[in-house]
Amino acid sequence: LAKTTQPISMDSYEGQEVNITCSHNNIATNDYITWYQQFPSQGPRFIIQGYKTKVTNEVASLFIPADRKSSTLSLPRVSLSDTAVYYCLVGTNAGNNRKLIWGLGTSLAVNP
Amino acid sequence: DVKVTQSSRYLVKRTGEKVFLECVQDMDHENMFWYRQDPGLGLRLIYFSYDVKMKEKGDIPEGYSVSREKKERFSLILESASTNQTSMYLCASSYRQGITYEQYFGPGTRLTVT
Repeated sequence: LAKTTQPISMDSYEGQEVNITCSHNNIATNDYITWYQQFPSQGPRFIIQGYKTKVTNEVASLFIPADRKSSTLSLPRVSLSDTAVYYCLVGTNAGNNRKLIWGLGTSLAVNP
Repeated sequence: DVKVTQSSRYLVKRTGEKVFLECVQDMDHENMFWYRQDPGLGLRLIYFSYDVKMKEKGDIPEGYSVSREKKERFSLILESASTNQTSMYLCASSYRQGITYEQYFGPGTRLTVT
């Protein structure tokens, strides 16, 4: 069963690129990797999802190496408003083995 | 814009009470989810539903039940509330069959059981 491990916290400064890595050593063939962002007093919000290689959208990139045992969320040029908790999620739709394995979250603090 | 609403932002109940948490989504999503979120434990799935009247247990279903009589509404029921059920409860929905697709979350209900 996949388990997701991510750093508890990270610090950065405005304008820097931030990379948050999630480890999922036991990821299965049918598992997808998803990242969510959560601000205080709000529910999580979807950022990006991928299966392998690289995915990019307007807010982030997701890098997944060939063995898929880890993934890295990359936030380009962060601002103060990116201060939030970021969650890694590994999930599968496979038949009777549907599972969602959430990481415990990485608290990102962006400083001026 | 997808909207997931939860009946209360804050709720205080007494031990032994029956508690209903309601969730409504307005985008005709097939899947709906109930989570609880606790410091240091992240999000834990209680139940999810992939269709009306259909449900599956998540990781921590003990002490909870759910009801989905209409597609847009998913209720979480605490039959006899206990203090260890004090938590933030989050509802979510997603628009396709299969639980890995993008989930849209409500704002959460902070439940305190005294």
